[in-house]
Amino acid sequence: AQTVTQSQPEMSVQEAETVTLSCTYDTSESNYYLFWYKQPPSRQMILVIRQEAYKQQNATENRFSVNFQKAAKSFSLKISDSQLGDTAMYFCAFMKPPLIQGAQKLVFGQGTRLTINP
Amino acid sequence: EAQVTQNPRYLITVTGKKLTVTCSQNMNHEYMSWYRQDPGLGLRQIYYSMNVEVTDKGDVPEGYKVSRKEKRNFPLILESPSPNQTSLYFCASFPMGRHAYNEQFFGPGTRLTVL
Repeated sequence: AQTVTQSQPEMSVQEAETVTLSCTYDTSESNYYLFWYKQPPSRQMILVIRQEAYKQQNATENRFSVNFQKAAKSFSLKISDSQLGDTAMYFCAFMKPPLIQGAQKLVFGQGTRLTINP
Repeated sequence: EAQVTQNPRYLITVTGKKLTVTCSQNMNHEYMSWYRQDPGLGLRQIYYSMNVEVTDKGDVPEGYKVSRKEKRNFPLILESPSPNQTSLYFCASFPMGRHAYNEQFFGPGTRLTVL
């Protein structure tokens, strides 16, 4: 079974700093999908960024980027120029290729609570 | 507007009193799923459904039931709730196949407290 580990329960940085959230996963699959979700105090799950494992280029969405290291099974999220609105719980998630029954299942990490201080 | 709705958003109940949390999606997705979120554990899948009348257990199904009589609805049923089911619950709806990579919809969450 796939597992996802986020080893940083909490992080705190100053506004405008850059912060990196760690995520490692375990799988025997060669292709799969990885995601970072943001959960602000409203509790809504918001997809921040996604990465397909067979794509070597790291995904980027504005101030959010990932460092995908397939061999190391690592998928870290970098937030540049952090803003107060980035304060949230962040979840890393894994999905197998959806060609197998039930494969749309997302496997989540434990979460990292990020606080951006003014 | 494409969305997943859940009701109620907040619920406080007592041990043993049956309850149902509703989930509805308007995107004609085949795949729907329930997750529970607990501190330090992230989100864990309770049940999922691949289509009408097709449901299966996720990782933490004990104490829960689901049904899928219509494509748009996927209610979560707690027949005899216990305090260890106090949690934040999310319903999710995805298209089938590779489209799930691009489209993932979560409901707003239901905060359940069982006393």
